[in-house]
Amino acid sequence: AQKVTQAQTEISVVEKEDVTLDCVYETRDTTYYLFWYKQPPSGELVFLIRRNSFDEQNEISGRYSWNFQKSTSSFNFTITASQVVDSAVYFCALTGTASKLTFGTGTRLQVTL
Amino acid sequence: GAGVSQSPSNKVTEKGKDVELRCDPISGHTALYWYRQSLGQGLEFLIYFQGNSAPDKSGLPSDRFSAERTGGSVSTLTIQRTQQEDSAVYLCASSLRGREGEQYFGPGTRLTVT
Repeated sequence: AQKVTQAQTEISVVEKEDVTLDCVYETRDTTYYLFWYKQPPSGELVFLIRRNSFDEQNEISGRYSWNFQKSTSSFNFTITASQVVDSAVYFCALTGTASKLTFGTGTRLQVTL
Repeated sequence: GAGVSQSPSNKVTEKGKDVELRCDPISGHTALYWYRQSLGQGLEFLIYFQGNSAPDKSGLPSDRFSAERTGGSVSTLTIQRTQQEDSAVYLCASSLRGREGEQYFGPGTRLTVT
């Protein structure tokens, strides 16, 4: 069985602070993919990133960066210099041999001025 | 380009009635998924269609739930004899073959069973 744990239910930061969202996963598949999705207040889930289990290189996209560590089964997401528009619920997700996504419970990020 | 569209955006129904929810995937996406998002259960997978293959129905919570996909495009999720616990936002997503985890979601249908 697959499982994704996002232990942080809610995080509040002040604009321009850096924030890291944690994600820990469990899977028996040797090949799997990890994802982050953003759900802004409008409600529509937005795909952010996809990583496969063979690629542990960290990735940076603008203010966003992702740290994948197989040794600790973690795929953490950092937002640098957070902005109010980053306020949303962020979901970490996993697929293995089956294509369906297993989601974590989400972390609600609130960025205030 | 057009994204995934779902209709209706909101549906209120009485307990015991049947409902149909519709999803139009992104053109050219061969895979289509239904998920349910509720406060108590988070985001749950319901069913997955890939091309002409038999669908993966492993997430359907009961036999009151069914889905079909006609012509490899539009999909309808049907809930028979609705119950209050069916109240949730039903999300549809689609993806390209080979990029199945990279799913593009529609705005959802909020179902309220009274």
